[in-house]
Amino acid sequence: EPEVTQTPSHQVTQMGQEVILRCVPISNHLYFYWYRQILGQKVEFLVSFYNNEISEKSEIFDDQFSVERPDGSNFTLKIRSTKLEDSAMYFCASSDGLLTDTQYFGPGTRLTVL
Amino acid sequence: QKEVEQNSGPLSVPEGAIASLNCTYSDRGSQSFFWYRQYSGKSPELIMFIYSNGDKEDGRFTAQLNKASQYVSLLIRDSQPSDSATYLCAAPDTGRRALTFGSGTRLQVQP
Repeated sequence: EPEVTQTPSHQVTQMGQEVILRCVPISNHLYFYWYRQILGQKVEFLVSFYNNEISEKSEIFDDQFSVERPDGSNFTLKIRSTKLEDSAMYFCASSDGLLTDTQYFGPGTRLTVL
Repeated sequence: QKEVEQNSGPLSVPEGAIASLNCTYSDRGSQSFFWYRQYSGKSPELIMFIYSNGDKEDGRFTAQLNKASQYVSLLIRDSQPSDSATYLCAAPDTGRRALTFGSGTRLQVQP
C-alpha cells in the first residue's frame, strides 16, 4: 500500500541553524501538507502546496519557513534560523484532492533544537 | 480558525466493551470529518472519514455525524488493548483543505 515517507526520523540542531525536512508524498497525490505537533499539544497545520505553489498557510508559517518541491517526488520544509520553540514533530501529509480529500500522514520527523 | 473540541480523557473501557468517542466542531460549513488514531510518539493514522449525516460502519468502527448538532462520534466495538491510543477528530474549515484537529481523546482498553 502506498505511503508517505519522511526523512530524517530525528533531527537535532543548534539554535540558529537551518534545517531541511524531507517528504515523499504518495505518488498520485496532488496536494501536500506540513503539520507540526509540539509535545503534548494538538496537531497544527502549517502549509499546503498544490501545483508547485503554496495554496494555504497558517499564521505559524512565517518567513522563517519555506517549502519546495525540488523534483517530481520530494517535498521539503526548510526552517531557517531555528528557535527552541521549533522543537516538535513535523508531519508531512498528502491527499488526492478528490471529494473527501483524505489526508494520509507520514511517520514524522522529530526536530530537537538545542 | 474554527475549533474542534474533544474530551481529553482518559476514557477507560474493559476489553470487549464499546468505546464511545465524541467531538464537536464550531464551523457549521464543515463538510467532511476525519478520525485518526495516534499511538504515542507516532503519526496520525486514518481510521475513518464521514461526510453525510447518519452512521458509517467499517469493521469494528462506526462513525456518526449530526450536522445540525455539529457533533461527530466514533464507536469502537469489541475494544481490544491494541486500540489503546489517542483518537483525533479533524475537519477542514469551510472552503479550505487544511485540517483543524481536536486535542484528542486518550482511550485505555483494560485487559
